Amino acid sequence: RKEVEQDPGPFNVPEGATVAFNCTYSNSASQSFFWYRQDCRKEPKLLMSVYSSGNEDGRFTAQLNRASQYISLLIRDSKLSDSATYLCVVNYLGSGNQFYFGTGTSLTVIP
Amino acid sequence: DAGITQSPRYKITETGRQVTLMCHQTWSHSYMFWYRQDLGHGLRLIYYSAAADITDKGEVPDGYVVSRSKTENFPLTLESATRSQTSVYFCASISGGSYNSPLHFGNGTRLTVT
Repeated sequence: RKEVEQDPGPFNVPEGATVAFNCTYSNSASQSFFWYRQDCRKEPKLLMSVYSSGNEDGRFTAQLNRASQYISLLIRDSKLSDSATYLCVVNYLGSGNQFYFGTGTSLTVIP
Repeated sequence: DAGITQSPRYKITETGRQVTLMCHQTWSHSYMFWYRQDLGHGLRLIYYSAAADITDKGEVPDGYVVSRSKTENFPLTLESATRSQTSVYFCASISGGSYNSPLHFGNGTRLTVT
């Protein structure tokens, strides 16, 4: 079983739509959670950390559900520039500070 | 603000040759990582280092060697390149074992082994 699993998509949505991605993780002792954005196999860039209470950054909202071991990312009012692959990342300090990556969810925002 | 830089950006080499990919960070981060990214596999950890002179294997270490004599440098060497090592390689760093510290990535090296 993979440490982190994501629906690869692709998600094709019109501009202005709301889209949500989920990600599940297998290690209940996981401690830190992140969403990264990756464009055309360039380096992944941090989109946002995910906090236990949930957090928002502009049009982006992240949620963590420890009981069900999943995190989510909600994008409101999608822009063309949001087209990218979104990576779910989980950190478990007890394993030598290793990070576990989902394979990514592809989003295309259509004009 | 150089951050973390990788070189070269692109590299073509022949099967059997030794290749070294460089990674340099200016933040004095203690942890550094090497990942490879292939279609269908996502990012896979090759080696990581918790500090200078401390390295450990990741998920896919075979065929690779690392060293970390200085905190800021973490080179990755392919001892005898094979076609299966054609990939995009990312170096990353993190400041330490603090809670919620994200990874910072270099801009990657695209390696082709012919």
